[in-house]
Amino acid sequence: GENVEQHPSTLSVQEGDSAVIKCTYSDSASNYFPWYKQELGKRPQLIIDIRSNVGEKKDQRIAVTLNKTAKHFSLHITETQPEDSAVYFCAASTNGGSQGNLIFGKGTKLSVKP
Amino acid sequence: DSGVTQTPKHLITATGQRVTLRCSPRSGDLSVYWYQQSLDQGLQFLIQYYNGEERAKGNILERFSAQQFPDLHSELNLSSLELGDSALYFCASSVGWDTFGSGTRLTVV
Repeated sequence: GENVEQHPSTLSVQEGDSAVIKCTYSDSASNYFPWYKQELGKRPQLIIDIRSNVGEKKDQRIAVTLNKTAKHFSLHITETQPEDSAVYFCAASTNGGSQGNLIFGKGTKLSVKP
Repeated sequence: DSGVTQTPKHLITATGQRVTLRCSPRSGDLSVYWYQQSLDQGLQFLIQYYNGEERAKGNILERFSAQQFPDLHSELNLSSLELGDSALYFCASSVGWDTFGSGTRLTVV
C-alpha cells in the first residue's frame, strides 16, 4: 500500500523567512496530494492541494510543487508569520481524491519566531 | 465549519470498556472516513464507508468496528479498550475538501 514520508519533523524559522516541507510517496497510482494545517487540539484544515496533472499551484504565500517522476511533493510558505506556527501534514490519495482514502505523512511542527 | 459533526467531543473511560463514536457527514456526501490520531502514529486511516457499505479498510484493529446507517451517519465502535487506544478520532466525509470533523478525544484510564 501507499506510504508517505515527510521531512523534517520539526522546523523553526524566523518571521519573514521561507519554510519548505517535503514529502515522498511510494504508490505511483496516487494522483491527489493535499496539505493540512493542524493547530493544537483542532481538526486538520486543508490549506492547499494539487493533482497529478499539475506541477505547481500557488495560493498567496503558500505553494505546492509536485514531481511525479521522483514521487515527491513539497509545501513552500513564504514570508512566514507567527500564526503559521502549527503542525503541517502532507497526504496522498488515489482515485483523484474523490473516493480514495488519504494516507498521511507523520507531520512537521513548524515554529515561526517573531 | 466543515459541515461534518462528531459527537461526543470528549470521552473518558476505563480499560476494558466499550465506547461508540458518532459522525454525521456533510450534507450531500455519501462517504465517511475514520482516522485515528495518536502522538506516536500520527493520522492513520481506519476505515471508509460509502452509502452504507464498507469501501476500504486501513489499520483498523479487530477490536474496532464501524457501520454506516441509512441516514448516512456512521458509528465507530471501540471495544476492550486499552491505554494505547487513547487518541483523537476524526471522521471526514470527502477527501479533497475541508471536511474533517472536530474530532472526539478519547482518554482511556
